[in-house]
Amino acid sequence: GAVVSQHPSWVICKSGTSVKIECRSLDFQATTMFWYRQFPKQSLMLMATSNEGSKATYEQGVEKDKFLINHASLTLSTLTVTSAHPEDSSFYICSPDGDRVSYEQYFGPGTRLTVT
Amino acid sequence: DAKTTQPPSMDCAEGRAANLPCNHSTISGNEYVYWYRQIHSQGPQYIIHGLKNNETNEMASLIITEDRKSSTLILPHATLRDTAVYYCIVRVGGTSGSRLTFGEGTQLTVNP
Repeated sequence: GAVVSQHPSWVICKSGTSVKIECRSLDFQATTMFWYRQFPKQSLMLMATSNEGSKATYEQGVEKDKFLINHASLTLSTLTVTSAHPEDSSFYICSPDGDRVSYEQYFGPGTRLTVT
Repeated sequence: DAKTTQPPSMDCAEGRAANLPCNHSTISGNEYVYWYRQIHSQGPQYIIHGLKNNETNEMASLIITEDRKSSTLILPHATLRDTAVYYCIVRVGGTSGSRLTFGEGTQLTVNP
């Protein structure tokens, strides 16, 4: 399967600061990137979808000015949580996709964000 | 994408088969059944998928009823490492930009 990495794997930040999460697709070109978040004891919820070189599409209820997504290359996408608050504490997971016929969707290992 | 219904939790003894059911009564003819699992604090992992025929791979077997309204994921010899949340998802075709919508899944606990 494809190799997807996320950095950092966990981060603790203070309320009001910004945090950047990187997602790298190591062995295939990710023309599309899905970003999910998962609150404790809940399922994964899609936050946004981005295509390389264009603006991300956000799901209803997700603030685009708070969760900044950059997908400038086919191997790297970043999610920046701006002015983080404790309610943003969650598990963030990326899922790259590319121009290929495949039935297997790949996911990163996730980033645990805790805002104090 | 069609909605799926799964039991919230199941238990299984180590070494025994784990049979996880999923209802997808509104599935369309061009929608596939996918199974993923998520071990605690990790990203989801693909297990298997099928359209209408039963499928088997090194991880599991997938049994789809003839009317395609339900399916069962079978882990033939469950181990403690199979403890995870298992998600049944229906979606049209392959990937290339098509999202996966996760339901609540089934928490499978394999007991020693």
